[in-house]
Amino acid sequence: DTGVSQDPRHKITKRGQNVTFRCDPISEHNRLYWYRQTLGQGPEFLTYFQNEAQLEKSRLLSDRFSAERPKGSFSTLEIQRTEQGDSAMYLCASSLPDRYTFGSGTRLTVV
Amino acid sequence: KQEVTQIPAALSVPEGENLVLNCSFTDSAIYNLQWFRQDPGKGLTSLLLIQSSQREQTSGRLNASLDKSSGRSTLYIAASQPGDSATYLCAVPSGSARQLTFGSGTQLTVLP
Repeated sequence: DTGVSQDPRHKITKRGQNVTFRCDPISEHNRLYWYRQTLGQGPEFLTYFQNEAQLEKSRLLSDRFSAERPKGSFSTLEIQRTEQGDSAMYLCASSLPDRYTFGSGTRLTVV
Repeated sequence: KQEVTQIPAALSVPEGENLVLNCSFTDSAIYNLQWFRQDPGKGLTSLLLIQSSQREQTSGRLNASLDKSSGRSTLYIAASQPGDSATYLCAVPSGSARQLTFGSGTQLTVLP
């Protein structure tokens, strides 16, 4: 069990650019979640995968956001045409039912 | 829609003190409740998971209680240490995906 890995740890991008984040979950976990956290707030749910199927998406996930989990392994979260309001920590978690393990997150700063 | 509230938002105590963090939720039909710790700029570490059928869980100096009927949970930290300084978040799963709804956290500072 090597934990949940996220890459990169930090990303600074100019407004309007596209960015992609990667999450490698714990291999035995078939559930994978993406959350977004802004300063002083708790994480907010973005989307959920069970194996390779994306089964739930929050209304926070605008059309500029897309997530994939090919073959039920790693997952990517892409943000197109970034805006300053996208600046946040993006957290990935994998779980057996109700036993969550979070990654260290990707801190995105849009300038 | 489930809402989770944590009080206080921040707490500063001297080392050695016992303390209680509070968490309340609006929908009592929960599967479980979890407490997490978050260090600055880092991800979340799971501390305690209380199933809906349980009243409390203990791990070392931490004890979490759950009262579903009143929509409340408390996290008790005994003999606090400077290393306990962090933000503590409670969360409940909801929806078909069992996604977590979090409170805004309590930022704890334990002074040496």
